[in-house]
Amino acid sequence: GENVEQHPSTLSVQEGDSAVIKCTYSDSASNYFPWYKQELGKGPQLIIDIRSNVGEKKDQRIAVTLNKTAKHFSLHITETQPEDSAVYFCAAGYGQNFVFGPGTRLSVLP
Amino acid sequence: EAQVTQNPRYLITVTGKKLTVTCSQNMNHEYMSWYRQDPGLGLRQIYYSMNVEVTDKGDVPEGYKVSRKEKRNFPLILESPSPNQTSLYFCASSLSWGPSEQYFGPGTRLTVT
Repeated sequence: GENVEQHPSTLSVQEGDSAVIKCTYSDSASNYFPWYKQELGKGPQLIIDIRSNVGEKKDQRIAVTLNKTAKHFSLHITETQPEDSAVYFCAAGYGQNFVFGPGTRLSVLP
Repeated sequence: EAQVTQNPRYLITVTGKKLTVTCSQNMNHEYMSWYRQDPGLGLRQIYYSMNVEVTDKGDVPEGYKVSRKEKRNFPLILESPSPNQTSLYFCASSLSWGPSEQYFGPGTRLTVT
């Protein structure tokens, strides 16, 4: 089955700096890679996703890149703000059959 | 407001006492799923349902049951809870099984003593 690794587990950045979270997956059949943000006391919320026929996708300050050959994908947040502080989860799979990574706790320091 | 609701939000119970966590969505979504979240392990899928009367096991189904008698509801049943089922549980729904956004409920924190 699919196995997803995520690094780092914690990340602290200064406000305005960029943050990068990396994930690797094992199953070459995976073709859908969503990223979820979880704020304290709430359920995860989708922030961006990418499919295997696309190498990069951007939405304002958030971008995701995918390297299918190497089986890794990354989340990039530019110009970080305090409200970006949360736990971020990557996931990999197909359809709704995907596996989540263990999460990255991002802290944006003012 | 489009949402997924779960009840109760917090529950403390004892080993062996049957319990049900309810989940309801008002978005007419076909796909619904249950996850448990444990520190360092992320979200692990327990069961999912692709439509009414269609359910299947996820990665960690042992000790859990589900049913999908109506499109909007997907209850999670623990017939004989054990301490290792102490966790944070999330229900989620999406429009279909195809790649699309999952909407998560607010979570249910369960403690089994």
